[in-house]
Parts: sequence; C-alpha cells; structure tokens
Amino acid sequence: GAVVSQHPSWVICKSGTSVKIECRSLDFQATTMFWYRQFPKQSLMLMATSNEGSKATYEQGVEKDKFLINHASLTLSTLTVTSAHPEDSSFYICSARSDRVNQPQHFGDGTRLSIL
Amino acid sequence: SQQGEEDPQALSIQEGENATMNCSYKTSINNLQWYRQNSGRGLVHLILIRSNEREKHSGRLRVTLDTSKKSSSLLITASRAADTASYFCATPFLPGGYQKVTFGTGTKLQVIP
Repeated sequence: GAVVSQHPSWVICKSGTSVKIECRSLDFQATTMFWYRQFPKQSLMLMATSNEGSKATYEQGVEKDKFLINHASLTLSTLTVTSAHPEDSSFYICSARSDRVNQPQHFGDGTRLSIL
Repeated sequence: SQQGEEDPQALSIQEGENATMNCSYKTSINNLQWYRQNSGRGLVHLILIRSNEREKHSGRLRVTLDTSKKSSSLLITASRAADTASYFCATPFLPGGYQKVTFGTGTKLQVIP
C-alpha cells in the first residue's frame, strides 16, 4: 500500500527554537497533504491543507506565521514550527492523498515534539 | 466544521468477542473512511465505503453506512489483543473547492487476552 514517511519521529528542543518536520509520499504523487495536531487522548485536529505549488490553507485559529507549511513538490511537504514554546509541544501527524476520487489518506507515523 | 462522532468513547471486550463502533456525521458525504491508531503512532486506513454502498467487508471488518441516518458502524469480529487501538471515522467534504477530511473523537478499544 501507499507509504508516507514522516521525519523526525521525535524532537526535544529548547524554547525559541524552530523545528522542521518533513512529510514524504514514497510511492505516489501527493496532490494534497494535510497536517494535524493531536493532544493526548484526543482526536486529530486539522491544522492546514496544502496543495502542491500553492499556499497552504489554514484552519481557523491556526497561526500561519507560527506554523509554516511548504508543499514544493508532489512528494514532499514540510511543517516548520517557528520559535517554538512549551505550549507547542504535541504530536504532529501528516497525511497525503492523490487527486483520484474516493481515495483515502495515507498517514505518516507522526512526530512527537517536546519543547523545554 | 464537519466532524464525525464515534460511539462509544471506550470499549473493553474479551478476546474472541465482536466489537461494534458507531459513527455519526453531519452533512452529505461521498464516502466515509475508518482508520485505526495504535498508541503514539500515525493512523492506518482500514476501509472506505462510498455513499452508494450500504455494506463493505474486509477480512474481519464489516462496515455499514446509512446515509439517511448519517451514520456508519464498524464491526470487528473475533477480536484479538492486537486489535487494541483507537478507531476513528473520517468524513471528507469539499469546502472552498478542495477536499479535506475531519476526524471524529474516536473509540478506544481494549481487547483483553
């Protein structure tokens, strides 16, 4: 089946650091990629949707300048958490899908971000 | 925003028993998807059922869809300890010309060996 690779899987860094998370579709062209955030024991909260070659569409309440998303190619999207603070600590998950109708999303394994 | 709601929130059963989870959603859909999430991992796609389908099977999984009631159910038969996970339904929709998927609150399933 389709594989999505997310890297890194785990990050610990100091407050004020910017952290970049990569999401790659390994065996299909990902027209659309999604970034989610998940708090412990809660559902996934959609942060933004990115389409290759265009600006990401952010959900209400998600700061564009805080969470920079780039989808430069059909196989790679990146999420950069800028000047991260402890409240940004969370589990971030990306997913990707092709442009074919009625196709599911394929998820990365997530990145656990801990800001000290 | 559109979001599915799973019911029950948590379920604990003995190995070998069947597990049933339900999902309700709010607006029209063209398909509904079920995913599984093991603790601390990403989501794994289980099954997609189109709006013109009423039932679909995949191994020990059976999914039903009732568009008139805006609900779906996931049945796992002969459960195993390895089925312990959280299960989410997802409903895609097309706001603003692009498709996105939002997830329900999930059902946490525990299968006791």
